[in-house]
Amino acid sequence: QSALTQPRSVSGSPGQSVTISCTGTSSDVGGYNHVSWYQQHPGKAPKLMIYDVSKRPSGVPDRFSGSKSGSTASLTISGLQAEDEADYHCCSFAGSYAVFGGGTKLTVL
Amino acid sequence: QLQLQESGPGLVKPSETLSLTCIVSGGSISNSPDYWGWIRQPPGNGLEWIGSIYYSGKTYYNPSLKSRVTTSVDTSNNQFSLKLSSVTAADTAVYYCARLSWLVPRNWGQGTLVTVSS
Repeated sequence: QSALTQPRSVSGSPGQSVTISCTGTSSDVGGYNHVSWYQQHPGKAPKLMIYDVSKRPSGVPDRFSGSKSGSTASLTISGLQAEDEADYHCCSFAGSYAVFGGGTKLTVL
Repeated sequence: QLQLQESGPGLVKPSETLSLTCIVSGGSISNSPDYWGWIRQPPGNGLEWIGSIYYSGKTYYNPSLKSRVTTSVDTSNNQFSLKLSSVTAADTAVYYCARLSWLVPRNWGQGTLVTVSS
């Protein structure tokens, strides 16, 4: 199976919005509404930010939002803050396993 | 609050079997409708889904690792385990255990680094 496709890096200034894409196929992202997004700071475990495409766990700021169109899921972070600088990973259910994207490094300029 | 903690050797020799255990606290494996699973992250790389297990013993594995992976569950001690056979340097990674919903991680352990080296 192939990993989901994410941009290697994105950047934005404080207060701006950025969107990270996660492209799969009809066998994973496009076929199910079970896509999650994770934030990972260096040396730390991933933290769940979005699940089931657009749901936010309690405690995650509403600056983080998720959506999906066809086989591409997206994570949008609005009102960028310095602490948002991290790696972001997407993951999708794929029927009998799950598959991750390659990860995106977000730089806050 | 659900917590997961990985344990196992930090160093494994090439061709041997990597064995890790995940102890779950703050919730019961056997009372959960979810799967329990393993994810790894080689140094400087992305995340890779390894496999999962239900409290009944039902398993799902990454097709690319399936021939080398075995997961098991011990409901009496509220823990589950991973075995990865015939390891090479390419299996060096931080290994995470997790609670899964639709096989997608929800809660994560802190991770444990396993190095494959002679």
